[in-house]
Amino acid sequence: QKEVEQDPGPLSVPEGAIVSLNCTYSNSAFQYFMWYRQYSRKGPELLMYTYSSGNKEDGRFTAQVDKSSKYISLFIRDSQPSDSATYLCAILNQAGTALIFGKGTTLSVSS
Amino acid sequence: GAGVSQTPSNKVTEKGKYVELRCDPISGHTALYWYRQSLGQGPEFLIYFQGTGAADDSGLPNDRFFAVRPEGSVSTLKIQRTERGDSAVYLCASRHGPQDTGELFFGEGSRLTVL
Repeated sequence: QKEVEQDPGPLSVPEGAIVSLNCTYSNSAFQYFMWYRQYSRKGPELLMYTYSSGNKEDGRFTAQVDKSSKYISLFIRDSQPSDSATYLCAILNQAGTALIFGKGTTLSVSS
Repeated sequence: GAGVSQTPSNKVTEKGKYVELRCDPISGHTALYWYRQSLGQGPEFLIYFQGTGAADDSGLPNDRFFAVRPEGSVSTLKIQRTERGDSAVYLCASRHGPQDTGELFFGEGSRLTVL
């Protein structure tokens, strides 16, 4: 079993839709969870990070961690065409030396 | 510079050749990472430097891959006897803050194609 699993999509939604992106992970010891966004031919950029369980909100974005089910989510409200990108979940490894990334989910928001 | 700079942006080489990829991190960032991203995949960790030393090189796939950071700033990833399977985008990232915030600043990558 891979340490982080993410459905690659693609996911296509109309402008204004609510988007839900998800990952599962295997090691219950993981504590730090991140979401990165990657535009085509660019490097990933940090969107949000969460420590342990709970929700974190930043504008139209909400990150959620459920440690009991080892499930992490990113919700995007009122999606915009500019949100079209690949979204990568990432988890800090136990040694604290590297991020383990999911495959990424490609999102397309049409106007 | 303002961001992480990687050169070359594109490199095409033949199987068996030697390749060097360069990363210039954000000034003052002590931590530097190399990742490899194949088509349709997320970034895969290769190596992490704290200062001049490799703190974790567990992601290097085999002994054809080597990286250095002699003065704690610029880093070079070296690939010997390249194989077609090495074709990927090689991403460099740097960090200043604590490890647990996880905020890595990535460059745009060096796209390596091995023919």
